[in-house]
Amino acid sequence: KQEVTQIPAALSVPEGENLVLNCSFTDSAIYNLQWFRQDPGKGLTSLLLIQSSQREQTSGRLNASLDKSSGRSTLYIAASQPGDSATYLCAVRSTGGFKTIFGAGTRLFVKA
Amino acid sequence: NAGVTQTPKFRVLKTGQSMTLLCAQDMNHEYMYWYRQDPGMGLRLIHYSVGEGTTAKGEVPDGYNVSRLKKQNFLLGLESAAPSQTSVYFCASSYSTRGSGANVLTFGAGSRLTVL
Repeated sequence: KQEVTQIPAALSVPEGENLVLNCSFTDSAIYNLQWFRQDPGKGLTSLLLIQSSQREQTSGRLNASLDKSSGRSTLYIAASQPGDSATYLCAVRSTGGFKTIFGAGTRLFVKA
Repeated sequence: NAGVTQTPKFRVLKTGQSMTLLCAQDMNHEYMYWYRQDPGMGLRLIHYSVGEGTTAKGEVPDGYNVSRLKKQNFLLGLESAAPSQTSVYFCASSYSTRGSGANVLTFGAGSRLTVL
């Protein structure tokens, strides 16, 4: 059974700092891994999707990496801004099924 | 372009009452999903559908029923609501995922349900 863990559960950083969010999963047989952003009281917005054959994806100040063999992904946020404050969720779709399993998320607060 | 629309956004029920949450998508997606989100537990899959007329159980299906009579709509029903079903419910949709890694999930804004 696939399990997805995100560490830390919460993170507070000063504006301008580069930061890394971590995601680990127990079963390396995956189709893809997605990172989402969720603002309080809102739905989820997809940030990056990494296919199983890829090592990383980049969008603006965001870079996500994938290491299937170790069951890990990281989301790197460069030059953080107060507008980046949100909860970031990692989600893994395993092969052999239609289910996407989510981590509990990392709540990020960027201080101005 | 509305994307994924959920109704209602908020609802308060008494224990034992029934209700239906509606999810509608206008992107011609094959796959649709219902998740619930509880504090500290992430999103858990309740039921999903891989096409019109089909449904399947997810991780936490007990106490819920679903129907997909039209491709664009996915309904989540609670026949006899319980306080344990107090949660935020999210609907999502995606293209066909079989054999493809590039299927981005698109989410609705959520429906907050409170069962007293």
